[in-house]
Amino acid sequence: EVRLVESGGGLIQPGGSLKLSCEASGLTVSGNYMTWVRQPPGMGLQWVSTITSGGDAYYSDSVRGRFTISRDISKNTVYLHMNSLRAEDTALYYCARDRQWELDYWGQGALVTVSS
Amino acid sequence: DIQMTQSPSSLSVSVGDRVTITCQASQDSNNYVNWYQQKLGAAPKLLIYDGSNLAAGVPSRFSGSQSGTEFTFTITSLQPGDIGTFYCQLYGDLPRYGFGQGTKLEMK
Repeated sequence: EVRLVESGGGLIQPGGSLKLSCEASGLTVSGNYMTWVRQPPGMGLQWVSTITSGGDAYYSDSVRGRFTISRDISKNTVYLHMNSLRAEDTALYYCARDRQWELDYWGQGALVTVSS
Repeated sequence: DIQMTQSPSSLSVSVGDRVTITCQASQDSNNYVNWYQQKLGAAPKLLIYDGSNLAAGVPSRFSGSQSGTEFTFTITSLQPGDIGTFYCQLYGDLPRYGFGQGTKLEMK
């Protein structure tokens, strides 16, 4: 059974940094594309970042230069390092297994609130 | 960037209704659309991939189709557990994924 568990969310001041983790079981992060999608409160879904099985990283325009996606194969975990956080980054952040054209397994989400 | 325009934004429905949701792509694409259902307080769930393929365990009352740049999602006979918000999603180069704005189904 595939399971994705996000952690690391919380309340952070504007300009601060936060690191989200997505621990996977039932699949290997090294053998899969993994993607972060976020959902601002009461709003729709936004693609944030993807790391390929080969380790290449892709970012949306809104986070490029501020967020970094990475993975630790030994821990079977994907990370989202978020710097220079803004109020508009406030959202529930989901980790998902990426089959390269669709997202078939999702975690339960980690809430990030950027506020002073 | 290819934009996805989803309609309607909300729909008031009854059990047994036929429900149709559409997504319009801003330009022609060789890529297919996927459809997700998000129930209140839960993560999105993949229902349809590659335009018309049912994801594992998804009932056959759900279906998807394409005509040119218009993508259609249909529930043939709505069940109470189908209530939620539905999103279309198109795969692209960058941004990698574009989502529609969502269609919220509510019981009459």
